[in-house]
Amino acid sequence: GAVVSQHPSRVICKSGTSVKIECRSLDFQATTMFWYRQFPKQSLMLMATSNEGSKATYEQGVEKDKFLINHASLTLSTLTVTSAHPEDSSFYICSARTGGITEAFFGQGTRLTVV
Amino acid sequence: GQNIDQPTEMTATEGAIVQINCTYQTSGFNGLFWYQQHAGEAPTFLSYNVLDGLEEKGRFSSFLSRSKGYSYLLLKELQMKDSASYLCAVLDSNYQLIWGAGTKLIIKP
Repeated sequence: GAVVSQHPSRVICKSGTSVKIECRSLDFQATTMFWYRQFPKQSLMLMATSNEGSKATYEQGVEKDKFLINHASLTLSTLTVTSAHPEDSSFYICSARTGGITEAFFGQGTRLTVV
Repeated sequence: GQNIDQPTEMTATEGAIVQINCTYQTSGFNGLFWYQQHAGEAPTFLSYNVLDGLEEKGRFSSFLSRSKGYSYLLLKELQMKDSASYLCAVLDSNYQLIWGAGTKLIIKP
């Protein structure tokens, strides 16, 4: 099956710093990538959808200046959490699709802890 | 609004059968997915239904009724490793995945 690699798997950072999370589709071209956040015991919450070469579409309530998403190529999308705060501590997961009616392939997720 | 409902938690016994239900109300429908998620890990794909009926895949089967806005995931011969959360997700008319809150399945010996 298709593989999506997400890096890093865990990161601890200090308040006020920025953290970049990478999401790569290893063996297919991801025309669309999704970024999710999941708090403990809650379901996935879609943060934004990005199509290669265009600006990301953010869900209501997600600050686009705080969560910077770049999808510059068909195999790479990045999420940068800027000026991180402890309340940003969460599990961030990316998924990628080739378009149309296909399943979403998920990265392994990134556990972010802001101290 | 868009809404997907599934039970919060279910308990079953090892070796038994369990059915996890999912009802949905979405703007358009382009298919329904079931995913399994173990704690601290990303979801993994289990099944996809777009036509009415039952799809069987080993110990897992998934059923869909579009007219009723209803699906279920059937797990047979339960094993301890099946303890996980099971997420129902619907692909809406914009091809966005709308997620249910997930059902935590607890398997007891």
